[in-house]
Amino acid sequence: EMVMTQSPATLSVSPGERATLSCRASQSVSSNLAWYQQKPGQAPSLLIYGASTRATGIPARFSGSGSGTEFTLTISSLQSEDFAVYYCQQYNNWPYTFGQGTKLEIK
Amino acid sequence: QVQLQESGPGLVKPSQTLSLTCTVSGGSISSGSYYWSWIRQPAGKGLEWIGRIYPSGSTNYNPSLKSRVTISVDTSKNQFSLKLSSVTAADTAVYYCARVGMGGGIVDYWGQGTLVTVSS
Repeated sequence: EMVMTQSPATLSVSPGERATLSCRASQSVSSNLAWYQQKPGQAPSLLIYGASTRATGIPARFSGSGSGTEFTLTISSLQSEDFAVYYCQQYNNWPYTFGQGTKLEIK
Repeated sequence: QVQLQESGPGLVKPSQTLSLTCTVSGGSISSGSYYWSWIRQPAGKGLEWIGRIYPSGSTNYNPSLKSRVTISVDTSKNQFSLKLSSVTAADTAVYYCARVGMGGGIVDYWGQGTLVTVSS
């Protein structure tokens, strides 16, 4: 099973600043990588797929990069609604797997 | 706008079978190139993909659960279902049903989730 490792586990950032979240795959997943945002008590929602393509309606401040085993989600200027947990997920090999999440909290 | 809604018992006894149904509205479960999936999340933990089904009935299960899982689809009711047998406390989680598009790996619509507790 493909293991996805996210870092850091918790990231403290001030509103208006940039946040950079990392995701590493135990083997290459090509660009078959998605990012999701989950707020308390809610289901996750899709942000990015194909490592770098924003889903419909996702603001341009969210960007994804990387391929192979190393991926990054960047939020350029944090808004109050962006503080949440973020998960990466590979869909290159079944079973598809998620990282353990990065909690983005207000500094 | 596609909507998914999970239903089923919120409490299941150990060794019994967990059964959940997902009702899809706003679109036909048979149309388009979509898989339909079950994903779970224990409290305070990450997400685990349980399995997926295509409207034809073709399934893929997570090997870690394969011996206990059955996912089925009823296109006439626009529903798909999950059965997980021989449950233990480790199966306590929020269970999500989801639509998986773009090749079968990206979840573009989620249900709200339903908490299932395994306890006597």
